Amino acid sequence: GAGVSQSPRYKVAKRGQDVALRCDPISGHVSLFWYQQALGQGPEFLTYFQNEAQLDKSGLPSDRFFAERPEGSVSTLKIQRTQQEDSAVYLCASSRGGGSGYGYTFGSGTRLTVV
Amino acid sequence: AQKITQTQPGMFVQEKEAVTLDCTYDTSDQSYGLFWYKQPSSGEMIFLIYQGSYDEQNATEGRYSLNFQKARKSANLVISASQLGDSAMYFCAMSQIFGNEKLTFGTGTRLTIIP
Repeated sequence: GAGVSQSPRYKVAKRGQDVALRCDPISGHVSLFWYQQALGQGPEFLTYFQNEAQLDKSGLPSDRFFAERPEGSVSTLKIQRTQQEDSAVYLCASSRGGGSGYGYTFGSGTRLTVV
Repeated sequence: AQKITQTQPGMFVQEKEAVTLDCTYDTSDQSYGLFWYKQPSSGEMIFLIYQGSYDEQNATEGRYSLNFQKARKSANLVISASQLGDSAMYFCAMSQIFGNEKLTFGTGTRLTIIP
């Protein structure tokens, strides 16, 4: 597609429920990133893939967070047993890779609300 | 580790005036990239301008220019002739040039243009 597509756009989950957020990057983009943006804050890095390899997951806040990109294209961010502090916008970005962050394209994000 | 500091939580500017948004950074990397993003209320992150640490000239993109002062570790964004559509959150960010392209963001500045 022309841009990075994220779904769903909005998600309301009851505390304790598992959720899965999807990111469809730009075709051919090697690098894929997930960020978490709390209300009124800047995005914070969660994890980074180069093709199907997860090269950095240092930003994942707990072992309840899990991300995968099995075929090097679509990625899923899964949050198990959601807590209220998980409420945030989850942004996905992709790039051709091989250099600086120049050339990033962000998706519109998934707004997760845990009630 | 990289760190971005934006000290202006909010700014109000008269339409058609120029505005400077402050950004200072800290890193131990020799080569790095500096970015500014705009985030309107709709939530998408819009890339505005990029400056490589090795670039001797300040970057410009239309009405946007980046005032890069390497010795002071500052990368201020200048918007000339502000427009009502410039009202948004603005984030300064940085990344490594080579290797992991993850972005480190500041806390943002909310810019409001007054008619």
